[in-house]
Amino acid sequence: AQTVTQSQPEMSVQEAETVTLSCTYDTSESDYYLFWYKQPPSRQMILVIRQEAYKQQNATENRFSVNFQKAAKSFSLKISDSQLGDAAMYFCAYRTGNQFYFGTGTSLTVIP
Amino acid sequence: DAGITQSPRHKVTETGTPVTLRCHQTENHRYMYWYRQDPGHGLRLIHYSYGVKDTDKGEVSDGYSVSRSKTEDFLLTLESATSSQTSVYFCAISEGPRNYGYTFGSGTRLTVV
Repeated sequence: AQTVTQSQPEMSVQEAETVTLSCTYDTSESDYYLFWYKQPPSRQMILVIRQEAYKQQNATENRFSVNFQKAAKSFSLKISDSQLGDAAMYFCAYRTGNQFYFGTGTSLTVIP
Repeated sequence: DAGITQSPRHKVTETGTPVTLRCHQTENHRYMYWYRQDPGHGLRLIHYSYGVKDTDKGEVSDGYSVSRSKTEDFLLTLESATSSQTSVYFCAISEGPRNYGYTFGSGTRLTVV
C-alpha cells in the first residue's frame, strides 16, 4: 500500500527566511508523480509544485523548490524568502495511476 | 476559476437524514473524485469515477454512495448521516491517469448534529 508521511504537524518561519517541509512516501511503483498542495484558511487546495519520478532534476517554481531523493523516497519542499501569504497547511501527495495519496499535512506559520 | 464547483458550501444536518453533495465541472474531465478531510488524517478518498456510470470505492467508502449520470456532475450521498461523517468534503477532477494533478473544488463543510 502506498503511504505518505509528513512528520512535522506544525512549522514556523520568520518572514523572509527559508523553511523546509519534510515528506516521505512508501511505494513499490516506478512510475509516479509527487506534489505539494497549499491550503490557506480559505480552504481552497492550490497546487504548489510537482515532480515526475523519472526526472532527476528537482522541480522549482519561483520561491518554491523541492529536494527529491528517489532512493530515499523523500520529497521535501523548500520555501525561500517566506512571505505572510505562505501561511497555510501544506500537503504532500503521491500519485500513481488514477489515484492520489495524501499526507496528514504540515501547518506553516509565518512570523512577521 | 478552475471550472469546478461544489454545492452547498456549508450544511448542517441531523443524524439519520440523507444528504447529497454535488460536484459540477465544466472542464469535460473524465475522472472525478470525492475526498473527506479530517484533522490528523489529511485527505482520504471516498469514491471516484472514471466515466459516466463508472465508479469505484476508495479507502473510506462505508456509508457513502455516488452517482454520475453525466460527465459534468458527480453526486455524493450519505444515506443516513452520522456524527462521524462530520467533515470537510472535497471534489476533485483530473483529465486522466497521465495528467499531472488534481483540480479541487472549494469544499463543503458538513456538520451532522
